[in-house]
Amino acid sequence: EVQLVESGGGVVRPGGSLRLSCAASGFTFDDYAMSWVRQVPGKGLEWVSGINWNSGTTGYADSVRGRFTISRDNAKNSLFLQMNSLRAEDTALYHCARDVGSGIKDFWGQGTLVTVSS
Amino acid sequence: IQLTQSPSLLSASVGDRVSITCRASQDISSYLAWYQQKPGKAPKPLIYAASTLQSGVPSRFSGSGSGTEFTLTISSLQPEDFATYYCQHLNSYPHSFGQGTKLEIK
Repeated sequence: EVQLVESGGGVVRPGGSLRLSCAASGFTFDDYAMSWVRQVPGKGLEWVSGINWNSGTTGYADSVRGRFTISRDNAKNSLFLQMNSLRAEDTALYHCARDVGSGIKDFWGQGTLVTVSS
Repeated sequence: IQLTQSPSLLSASVGDRVSITCRASQDISSYLAWYQQKPGKAPKPLIYAASTLQSGVPSRFSGSGSGTEFTLTISSLQPEDFATYYCQHLNSYPHSFGQGTKLEIK
């Protein structure tokens, strides 16, 4: 069974940092690209960042480029999102998702909540 | 690439045929996906490559279009279809989403 479990969320002050993790199981992790998608409760989906299978290609939304860094450790079946210079508008539920060949995100974790507040 | 969905809110009844449109700010060929999301749940993939049904998705869902204009159609609404729907482009990064269409019971 495919499972994606996010962790690392919490409350942080503006300007602070957090590192999110996503533990993957039930599939061959290094066969897939992965993404982070966030959602403010009650609002729409926002794609945040993506990474291909071998970390050779990464991408970021304009809203986070230069502040967030995506990475992965295929030996540990883990995906990460380092978030620096956090802003109030980064407050959201952060999901990791598996990308299949077409690019569609076919499995999603339940998310970890990040709250940026003074 | 910006994706604009219309309408933002759609009221319909069980059995209705409904369509949601997604317009891209530039040509994305067929690199478009559709998702369904219910409150408190992660999004569920429905369609990729503009018109290919994800495994396990009922055949009442269909997708069409290419280039800059795409459509998700539900041929006969079922009670479980009332949810929010999102399009997403899957060409190069960033894989931006549309703003969503909430499908509610009339």
